[in-house]
Amino acid sequence: SQQGEEDPQALSIQEGENATMNCSYKTSINNLQWYRQNSGRGLVHLILIRSNEREKHSGRLRVTLDTSKKSSSLLITASRAADTASYFCATDAPGYALNFGKGTSLLVTP
Amino acid sequence: DTGVSQDPRHKITKRGQNVTFRCDPISEHNRLYWYRQTLGQGPEFLTYFQNEAQLEKSRLLSDRFSAERPKGSFSTLEIQRTEQGDSAMYLCASSPKETGLTDTQYFGPGTRLTVL
Repeated sequence: SQQGEEDPQALSIQEGENATMNCSYKTSINNLQWYRQNSGRGLVHLILIRSNEREKHSGRLRVTLDTSKKSSSLLITASRAADTASYFCATDAPGYALNFGKGTSLLVTP
Repeated sequence: DTGVSQDPRHKITKRGQNVTFRCDPISEHNRLYWYRQTLGQGPEFLTYFQNEAQLEKSRLLSDRFSAERPKGSFSTLEIQRTEQGDSAMYLCASSPKETGLTDTQYFGPGTRLTVL
């Protein structure tokens, strides 16, 4: 079963705009990760935020985590066409596997 | 560091045939994972190895599925008597054993299986 739920399912913006994606999850976590997947290809890790962290930055990415609301958000600033991809949040599952959501499909048009 | 590699990248087979996929993790990564991803969905966990030991298996991994990681290096995933419902992208990932928590996983490009 998939624990994470991304919102929106699809997002279309123009280059230069910011893109915000949200993730909600159901059970307590140790950490939450965001991955990107270009069309039909493998996933690329973007950022990991631990449960005791509230915000983390990496380049044009900003991730927030609210454990009381069981939610996270991913902000991509100054979007580029190359950011077009599907974005997944993943929470830790029992053991060391990851539980992925269904993803947000982001389209950035020039 | 050449990344995680998977072979083949695409496999088309007829229903009832057996297929085997291979995954070569990043060297020195002792954790290896298999996931399955269908269209429009996120990856779903199948199984996990730490070195050569298969420590976890998802309920998704029916009796027709078997995975091995001999010598704790590459891994194979075999599907016997394939069904059309097995059509999916099979993703392999590896991670180093850095902490006692779930760490960053490095994914391969996947093997896309089509069962006719």
